[in-house]
Amino acid sequence: DVKVTQSSRYLVKRTGEKVFLECVQDMDHENMFWYRQDPGLGLRLIYFSYDVKMKEKGDIPEGYSVSREKKERFSLILESASTNQTSMYLCASSTEMNYGYTFGSGTRLTVV
Amino acid sequence: TQLLEQSPQFLSIQEGENLTVYCNSSSVFSSLQWYRQEPGEGPVLLVTVVTGGEVKKLKRLTFQFGDARKDSSLHITAAQPGDTGLYLCAGVRTNAGKSTFGDGTTLTVKP
Repeated sequence: DVKVTQSSRYLVKRTGEKVFLECVQDMDHENMFWYRQDPGLGLRLIYFSYDVKMKEKGDIPEGYSVSREKKERFSLILESASTNQTSMYLCASSTEMNYGYTFGSGTRLTVV
Repeated sequence: TQLLEQSPQFLSIQEGENLTVYCNSSSVFSSLQWYRQEPGEGPVLLVTVVTGGEVKKLKRLTFQFGDARKDSSLHITAAQPGDTGLYLCAGVRTNAGKSTFGDGTTLTVKP
């Protein structure tokens, strides 16, 4: 069964900490995405990547960065966590865009 | 302005009832996907439609892509409590390279 695995289901971090969210897929997909999901705001794209060492800004990249050193791994970095980054973070991957995404189970991040 | 408008935003029905949810846009999409998301989990892909007028069935769920490829509907027959969840539509515009998501329809099916 194809899988996207996010390293943590729940995280609690302090304001100002550097936070790493890891995502690994086992499907040899070229495309990987990071979204955040908040009530009333839907899914918002933070960053995406079409290939190793390649990244593109999404709709809300401010305060975030990403790393893709290997095809299967896409990391989201919160440079200095703030309370307004408390959210559900979802990683997804895809091969051909018209086939849809496979999502991970999400990471519920709370910044205190 | 939301590129993909989903309606209704919330829907609460009794087990056994039928329902339809809609996903509308003024843009043309090369494909459209429907996902279901349960609380605390990531969305799960239900179906992809790519041809205008296409109809796909998945057990009690029927998905239709509009003739002009600007809209889609999801019809559930004889809803069950297990159908409860957030239903998201997502569209891929030609050469866009990524999907655009609607805000979703939250469905509650009461026993």
